[in-house]
Amino acid sequence: GAGVSQSPRYKVAKRGQDVALRCDPISGHVSLFWYQQALGQGPEFLTYFQNEAQLDKSGLPSDRFFAERPEGSVSTLKIQRTQQEDSAVYLCASSEKSEKLFFGSGTQLSVL
Amino acid sequence: AQSVAQPEDQVNVAEGNPLTVKCTYSVSGNPYLFWYVQYPNRGLQFLLKYITGDNLVKGSYGFEAEFNKSQTSFHLKKPSALVSDSALYFCAVRAGYGNNRLAFGKGNQVVVIP
Repeated sequence: GAGVSQSPRYKVAKRGQDVALRCDPISGHVSLFWYQQALGQGPEFLTYFQNEAQLDKSGLPSDRFFAERPEGSVSTLKIQRTQQEDSAVYLCASSEKSEKLFFGSGTQLSVL
Repeated sequence: AQSVAQPEDQVNVAEGNPLTVKCTYSVSGNPYLFWYVQYPNRGLQFLLKYITGDNLVKGSYGFEAEFNKSQTSFHLKKPSALVSDSALYFCAVRAGYGNNRLAFGKGNQVVVIP
């Protein structure tokens, strides 16, 4: 595809459920980022991959959050035992050189 | 730690008037500075960046920004605003080489009035 693709676009989960959010980056982009954007706030860094290596996961808010990129392309962000405070838009971005990021439209997660 | 402040929640400007969106930053070492724009139901789009060199950088859609090291600012400007410029604007910063973690401001809603 021409851009970064994220799915699903919307996800409603009951508190305590596990969710998996998918990101398809632009083909050939080495770097992949996950950000969390709460309502009315700017994006907050979660984690960063270079190819399949997760080089920085310091922004993950708890051990319920887990991200992977096993073949260096598609990435999945998994949230276990979701809580209401996890409700946010989750943004994925990819880049060639980590200077100009290309963002997907995001997955809006609502935890009831 | 790196951080960005965007002091105004909303900027209202008449079409055809100059537009300024303010940003100040805090970072250790030399900053890499960015502006992104977010239209409704769309992802953030890159506008421009400052890495090094000329303090005035030009970007997409007629926008420009000026890096001011002494004031730690990176204000976004456009000489003549269009209604289509109405969107949410984010300033972002990261430390230089070796740091891939971007810190974003909370964003400024720009409303251009016809």
